Amino acid sequence: DAMVIQNPRYQVTQFGKPVTLSCSQTLNHNVMYWYQQKSSQAPKLLFHYYDKDFNNEADTPDNFQSRRPNTSFCFLDIRSPGLGDAAMYLCATSREQGAAETQYFGPGTRLLVL
Amino acid sequence: GQNIDQPTEMTATEGAIVQINCTYQTSGFNGLFWYQQHAGEAPTFLSYNVLDGLEEKGRFSSFLSRSKGYSYLLLKELQMKDSASYLCAVRDGDYKLSFGAGTTVTVRA
Repeated sequence: DAMVIQNPRYQVTQFGKPVTLSCSQTLNHNVMYWYQQKSSQAPKLLFHYYDKDFNNEADTPDNFQSRRPNTSFCFLDIRSPGLGDAAMYLCATSREQGAAETQYFGPGTRLLVL
Repeated sequence: GQNIDQPTEMTATEGAIVQINCTYQTSGFNGLFWYQQHAGEAPTFLSYNVLDGLEEKGRFSSFLSRSKGYSYLLLKELQMKDSASYLCAVRDGDYKLSFGAGTTVTVRA
């Protein structure tokens, strides 16, 4: 089945220790997104790739970086995680950018910072 | 900025109907989405409205009034598996979705 896969599902890291979250997709979609969702809050878009073009949201901290080495994979790097970065990180894809394009989400990675 | 409001929680009985309201104030409007999110899982797509009116899809219907900045999601014949958070999201450009905080629906037997 075509899908959006995130690994790991749960990640524990230490304060200040770099961590990388992984997302892959078999949908062959052009656009990939990373969202941060804190408990009982709305998902917040961090950045997205349209093909190889990286688009950062204005209020995304510099601590968050992303890489998309190919169509299928996208990584979220947190350079120095703080306690406030503990959250669910959701990867999503869409076929194209456009008003009616649906975003399809992966199962998320829950990050715990000790 | 974007402002999307929906109630925090709703409770209903199995077999009943529940209506989840969403109001929005955004800089642009290119459609409104509803997603269902079970605890600890990813949001899954339910519906998309870009024109005024009602879209019906099985037990779930979604309504939009652009002039009022208002939408609702109607869940009919509630089942226990419908217990979840329901997220309203507005697209104001080509790609960005701005989400509400979600409405947690609890279905009681």
